[in-house]
Amino acid sequence: GAGVSQSPSNKVTEKGKDVELRCDPISGHTALYWYRQRLGQGLEFLIYFQGNSAPDKSGLPSDRFSAERTGESVSTLTIQRTQQEDSAVYLCASSLQREVEQFFGPGTRLTVL
Amino acid sequence: DAKTTQPPSMDCAEGRAANLPCNHSTISGNEYVYWYRQIHSQGPQYIIHGLKNNETNEMASLIITEDRKSSTLILPHATLRDTAVYYCIVRGSLHRGYGGSQGNLIFGKGTKLSVKP
Repeated sequence: GAGVSQSPSNKVTEKGKDVELRCDPISGHTALYWYRQRLGQGLEFLIYFQGNSAPDKSGLPSDRFSAERTGESVSTLTIQRTQQEDSAVYLCASSLQREVEQFFGPGTRLTVL
Repeated sequence: DAKTTQPPSMDCAEGRAANLPCNHSTISGNEYVYWYRQIHSQGPQYIIHGLKNNETNEMASLIITEDRKSSTLILPHATLRDTAVYYCIVRGSLHRGYGGSQGNLIFGKGTKLSVKP
């Protein structure tokens, strides 16, 4: 079946611009996670959605970062007024509510010039 | 959450077993050991997880010591396609909440495994 998809695969933007990154989770997966991975580094947790519960935003690095999710489907991560330190691969993962395995998408590589 | 310690890199000859160690000396009784890997330019991929008993699936085997303070991931016959960064993660049980605040995985720097011909 279809896995987690993300778009765009690559995004180059200028400092100060806003960007939107999209994640389509696996159908039926109620949990959705966003992570960030800087070059040569491990993954940093950003935000977590579980069904209709309030999202856990504890990993968002600043108020320039926000994310939305429509029900149990697509999620959008928005970064406002991008900075060069926002350059990274942004990864989305989804899982069934009571499953332990997270399925990751291929990521969006964001480059802020 | 318990922290994990892994060697930064390892080499393995193609066709041989790759044994990747992980120390998690502060693991608590309800925390599972998970392994993921990340092949270059791809998202992480789940491999295996366990609590106390050794586990085996089509990808790998997981050996957990009796005191649960360390574990070893075994790839029985490594291929060139197994070259990746391997992450050992400890995470709480479903009933106590996940490893992170709400289930997120906490990744360290992992072990870069290079399988050589």
